Amino acid sequence: EAGVVQSPRYKIIEKKQPVAFWCNPISGHNTLYWYLQNLGQGPELLIRYENEEAVDDSQLPKDRFSAERLKGVDSTLKIQPAELGDSAVYLCASSLEVGEKGEQFFGPGTRLTVL
Amino acid sequence: GQQVMQIPQYQHVQEGEDFTTYCNSSTTLSNIQWYKQRPGGHPVFLIQLVKSGEVKKQKRLTFQFGEAKKNSSLHITATQTTDVGTYFCAGPSSGGSNYKLTFGKGTLLTVNP
Repeated sequence: EAGVVQSPRYKIIEKKQPVAFWCNPISGHNTLYWYLQNLGQGPELLIRYENEEAVDDSQLPKDRFSAERLKGVDSTLKIQPAELGDSAVYLCASSLEVGEKGEQFFGPGTRLTVL
Repeated sequence: GQQVMQIPQYQHVQEGEDFTTYCNSSTTLSNIQWYKQRPGGHPVFLIQLVKSGEVKKQKRLTFQFGEAKKNSSLHITATQTTDVGTYFCAGPSSGGSNYKLTFGKGTLLTVNP
């Protein structure tokens, strides 16, 4: 069974440039999550999707971050414009169920460096 | 909001020594999950505990959920170099459609061979 796929694995951009990350969850997983992980910290939820609906985006900085999951499968997270403080690892995860049985499967992440 | 705290932040052991990391929540948890992240890797699910006082074992790893469901621990017996990584606990902040996992900062375990 293929795991969660993310691309690119690494991205280096200059500040004020746009950047996009792509995620393909495990087949059949309706719930998709985007997390931000800073060095030495645990993952922090940015947004959660149930199928194509964003059910929790309260932690997403909406002035510069946007996300979509148009067909309820793969998803894209965008930052425009990027700031120096956005340098981090962006993790995508998926789960078969949400809630009490929601073991989350993480992708390899995209390491973003903003210069 | 809910806070999940882990101690210690770092732990260095000699191979063969035991290791324990502790997780404390500011609120009562319906369940707690543990993840392991190898250096340069991504978090991998280890286990979920649901019942008060629950103890689960996976080979050399023992997981415990406190009676009050506000704390948890992970104990590794006779560590090996393959145990190196950061161990995170994560607890849900609320139930139902607002389910959201809050991760602790993790405990980084290094093992000297």
